[in-house]
Amino acid sequence: DAGITQSPRHKVTETGTPVTLRCHQTENHRYMYWYRQDPGHGLRLIHYSYGVKDTDKGEVSDGYSVSRSKTEDFLLTLESATSSQTSVYFCAISEGAGSYEQYFGPGTRLTVT
Amino acid sequence: GESVGLHLPTLSVQEGDNSIINCAYSNSASDYFIWYKQESGKGPQFIIDIRSNMDKRQGQRVTVLLNKTVKHLSLQIAATQPGDSAVYFCAENHTGGFKTIFGAGTRLFVKA
Repeated sequence: DAGITQSPRHKVTETGTPVTLRCHQTENHRYMYWYRQDPGHGLRLIHYSYGVKDTDKGEVSDGYSVSRSKTEDFLLTLESATSSQTSVYFCAISEGAGSYEQYFGPGTRLTVT
Repeated sequence: GESVGLHLPTLSVQEGDNSIINCAYSNSASDYFIWYKQESGKGPQFIIDIRSNMDKRQGQRVTVLLNKTVKHLSLQIAATQPGDSAVYFCAENHTGGFKTIFGAGTRLFVKA
């Protein structure tokens, strides 16, 4: 398995609180991604990173921010959590962009009450 | 708009039979296609990929077929086993692109 860990694995938080999810990789891959997975929607890209301090938005980025200060870590922050952000969040990594497979972490189940 | 879809949300097969999971895509610019397997409680796992300059690619017990004329992708699993029970996603991207588009998934049930 690709060396990807996510923390926490489960979290319950209240509406309006900030939440940070962490993705850590040991593969030294340049590209990292955050997805959310919801029933009926498959995987949707929130943000991605193409290098240290280089990030960009995906298709569902509203309410989320990211940071990447080191190659191995990619943080996803929910600035003020809402119930619509209850989801399973997956981090992924890849060696290159486009024609490269992505390797996924185990996921974080977030519940916003 | 761009979309990757699956024809069937669920598929039930007998152990030992072959399984075929289908997928349609609409972006003609896509030149890279991937199949992922997701078991309950886990992240998606890469199974096999194919580039648009190929029509067929084989792996261990799996074959992916690409029909660019009708924008159709399929995953064939030979001699399906109980361990193949999972949700299967097709996905598309293009060379240099950052945004892989995933389908909603097909759940495969394997009956013993």
